[in-house]
Amino acid sequence: AQSVAQPEDQVNVAEGNPLTVKCTYSVSGNPYLFWYVQYPNRGLQFLLKYITGDNLVKGSYGFEAEFNKSQTSFHLKKPSALVSDSALYFCAVRDWGDSSASKIIFGSGTRLSIRP
Amino acid sequence: DTAVSQTPKYLVTQMGNDKSIKCEQNLGHDTMYWYKQDSKKFLKIMFSYNNKELIINETVPNRFSPKSPDKAHLNLHINSLELGDSAVYFCASSQGLLAGGSTDTQYFGPGTRLTVL
Repeated sequence: AQSVAQPEDQVNVAEGNPLTVKCTYSVSGNPYLFWYVQYPNRGLQFLLKYITGDNLVKGSYGFEAEFNKSQTSFHLKKPSALVSDSALYFCAVRDWGDSSASKIIFGSGTRLSIRP
Repeated sequence: DTAVSQTPKYLVTQMGNDKSIKCEQNLGHDTMYWYKQDSKKFLKIMFSYNNKELIINETVPNRFSPKSPDKAHLNLHINSLELGDSAVYFCASSQGLLAGGSTDTQYFGPGTRLTVL
């Protein structure tokens, strides 16, 4: 079964510093990987995805993620954190259990807190 | 101009009642979903419809019944509400099934916070 793991419940970073939110995956077949962000009392917003191609994927709000096949990781990064980046971040993977249905499995989420 | 909208935003009700949550998307997508987010923020898919046809039905009590009158709408009806049903329910939509070339990007509604007393 496909799965993603987010080992950190919370990440704290000072504004202006680089940030990394970690994600590892386990899939059979080609990995389709996603990052979503959830601001307080809001729905999830798509940030970026890896399907194929370049291992470094650029997304919204200056975020990027690096696909690393050997380490089965897809960490989310940003060179310089903003206070407004504070939110809950979800890594996700497409479930290949049934190829006719589009089903995404979400990680447990990592709360990112950026201090001024 | 909201892409995926849900009503109501908040729903407080007594155990045993029946309630419905509505979802509409104006993105022209043909696939819609219901997710449940529990108090620990864990997000789990419940149902998915493609062109009004049920394609994903996770292990969800049969008190939960989705209905899709057309591909722009997916409603969720819950019978005999229980305390454990308290959660935030998110609707989402995407275009197409993987077999049809979809790349699975899903667009979420703002959520409905259901509180069962």
